[in-house]
Amino acid sequence: AQTVTQSQPEMSVQEAETVTLSCTYDTSESNYYLFWYKQPPSRQMILVIRQEAYKQQNATENRFSVNFQKAAKSFSLKISDSQLGDTAMYFCAFRFASNTGKLIFGQGTTLQVKP
Amino acid sequence: EPEVTQTPSHQVTQMGQEVILRCVPISNHLYFYWYRQILGQKVEFLVSFYNNEISEKSEIFDDQFSVERPDGSNFTLKIRSTKLEDSAMYFCASSPSSHEETQYFGPGTRLLVL
Repeated sequence: AQTVTQSQPEMSVQEAETVTLSCTYDTSESNYYLFWYKQPPSRQMILVIRQEAYKQQNATENRFSVNFQKAAKSFSLKISDSQLGDTAMYFCAFRFASNTGKLIFGQGTTLQVKP
Repeated sequence: EPEVTQTPSHQVTQMGQEVILRCVPISNHLYFYWYRQILGQKVEFLVSFYNNEISEKSEIFDDQFSVERPDGSNFTLKIRSTKLEDSAMYFCASSPSSHEETQYFGPGTRLLVL
C-alpha cells in the first residue's frame, strides 16, 4: 500500500527565515502526483504546490518550492521568507496518475512562525 | 474566486441519529470527494464520485455511509446511524475535468457525536 510519511510533527521558524518540511512516500508506480496542502487554524485545506512525477524540474510557487527526489522518494517543501500567516499544519499528499483521484495524506507537520 | 462550500460548519448529534452533511462543489467541477479528519490525526479518504456513481470508496465507507448528488449543485454525505467514532472534521473536495486535476477543499464540517 502507498504510504506518505512526514517525520517532523512540529517545527518552528523565525519570521523572514527559511524552513524546510520533509516528506517521503512509498510507491512502486512511476507516474503520480505530489501535493503540499496547508491547513491554517481556520481548518480549511489550501493547496500550496503540486508536482508531477514525470517532471524533473522542481515546482515553485512564489515563496514556496519543492525538492523532488524521485529516486529517493522524497518531496520536501521549502518556505522562504517565512511570514506569520504561514503558521499552519502542512500536509504532504500523494495521488496515482491513473485512478479515481484518491489523495493519500501524511500525518502533517505543524509549523509555527515566530515574530 | 470560486470556492467549495460546506454546511453546516458544526453539527452536534446523538449517537444513532442520522446526519446529512452538505457540500456545494465548484460549479464546473465534475469529480467529488469526501475526506475526514479525526482530531489530531491525518486526513483520510472516504469516497470519490463521478457521473452519479461512486468511483472508489475506502474501508471506512461502510453501509452506514452514502453519498448523493440530488441536484446539479449539491453533493451530500449521509451517515445513517452515527457512532461516537464518527466524530471528526469532514471535508468535501472537487476537481474540474478529470482525476488528474488538483482537488479543491471546502472549509469542513465538524461533527460531534455524543
